[in-house]
Amino acid sequence: GEDVEQSLFLSVREGDSSVINCTYTDSSSTYLYWYKQEPGAGLQLLTYIFSNMDMKQDQRLTVLLNKKDKHLSLRIADTQTGDSAIYFCAGLGQGGKLIFGQGTELSVKP
Amino acid sequence: ETGVTQSPTHLIKTRGQQVTLRCSSQSGHNTVSWYQQALGQGPQFIFQYYREEENGRGNFPPRFSGLQFPNYSSELNVNALELDDSALYLCASSLSGRASDTQYFGPGTRLTVL
Repeated sequence: GEDVEQSLFLSVREGDSSVINCTYTDSSSTYLYWYKQEPGAGLQLLTYIFSNMDMKQDQRLTVLLNKKDKHLSLRIADTQTGDSAIYFCAGLGQGGKLIFGQGTELSVKP
Repeated sequence: ETGVTQSPTHLIKTRGQQVTLRCSSQSGHNTVSWYQQALGQGPQFIFQYYREEENGRGNFPPRFSGLQFPNYSSELNVNALELDDSALYLCASSLSGRASDTQYFGPGTRLTVL
């Protein structure tokens, strides 16, 4: 079946790097996404990676994909208090639907 | 270029009532997807509309229905509301009906069923 799992909480200090992890079961997902959700808001697309890539870097964000282990991670360099939010990993399923994990709440302490 | 907009932002209904939520897609996008996000959970796919036709459906009962209009805006209708329908309803638009097109989300409608 289709499933995406994430750890629920992560706490870091301002200026440190944050690494948010995700595992997925559907090996046919051609695209994997990271979205950010701030309190009371919708989802903001941060970045995505195509399944034939191992890594993608976009400014402070680095996505790593291990297809063998079906593991995806998002690294945020120099984490700021404004990065505090819930981060969702999502895989592209059948018919264009996104399959989301439960979300990881990132708390950045000054 | 305007982003995805949704209305209303908040809504309170009672059990058994019916509700209609609205979504305007991003300029140039002809595909709209709807998701339900219960508190503390990730969004769950309800259905997708492409050029006014339903293009895929998740595991939701028939009392969840939708429409897409010629201008590609969309409505989500929920009949016979249940307490468990309380959630944030998110609409996402994408450029075309291709599964690989990136989905851009609106701010959501918070529905509370009492």
